[in-house]
Amino acid sequence: SYELTQPPSVSVSPGQTARITCSGDALPQKYAYWYQQKSGRAPVLIIYQDRKRPSGIPERFSGSKSGTVATLTVSGAQLEDEGDYYCFSSDISVNQRMFGGGTKLTVL
Amino acid sequence: QLLLRESGPGLVKPSETLSLTCSVSGGSLSTYDYQWGWIRQPPGKGLQWIGSMFYTGSTFYTPSLKGRVSMSADTSQNTFSLRLYSVTAADTGIYFCARQTYDWGPGAFLDSWGQGHLVSV
Repeated sequence: SYELTQPPSVSVSPGQTARITCSGDALPQKYAYWYQQKSGRAPVLIIYQDRKRPSGIPERFSGSKSGTVATLTVSGAQLEDEGDYYCFSSDISVNQRMFGGGTKLTVL
Repeated sequence: QLLLRESGPGLVKPSETLSLTCSVSGGSLSTYDYQWGWIRQPPGKGLQWIGSMFYTGSTFYTPSLKGRVSMSADTSQNTFSLRLYSVTAADTGIYFCARQTYDWGPGAFLDSWGQGHLVSV
């Protein structure tokens, strides 16, 4: 079955740039979306359609995609950015969706 | 503003059926602009998309749960429901309902979420 692969963890110091990748064979044809989740609460959308940022999301969050890899970049990471980050996308077959395994971002 | 809220038992016995309902307010279930979905999260683990549906009853399930899951909608109550059959301890977790945008080809996403409902098996 189709999978989206993320690194389990990423760690940076405050002010540094964090990059979280998401790999999937269908990503060249399908958008990647990124969610931030803190402490089991409902996830919050931070990037949609590969690189767009919803209103209210800080500019330090950005998204990009090249081939089968989508990347979430947090430029100048802050302590409040700690949490779990999930990519979300679709299989080639329309109406099948999945999350990546999630990446725990630590800022310390 | 669209609000979604999950409800149902917090404890289900092994081999029985997990049943949850999502109440939608601030918007109508009866639109082809969106699907309505369920996502779950076992304790300490990642998110899993369970499936989604149109208000008409067309459903789409993740392959790993096909045969054990069903979804339905009640447009008169503006609610949709999840049933998961023959549950085991592995089905313990937080269950979220969400609204999923229309997929015109390149994908869809979950744009509104309920707060989540913990179910223990």
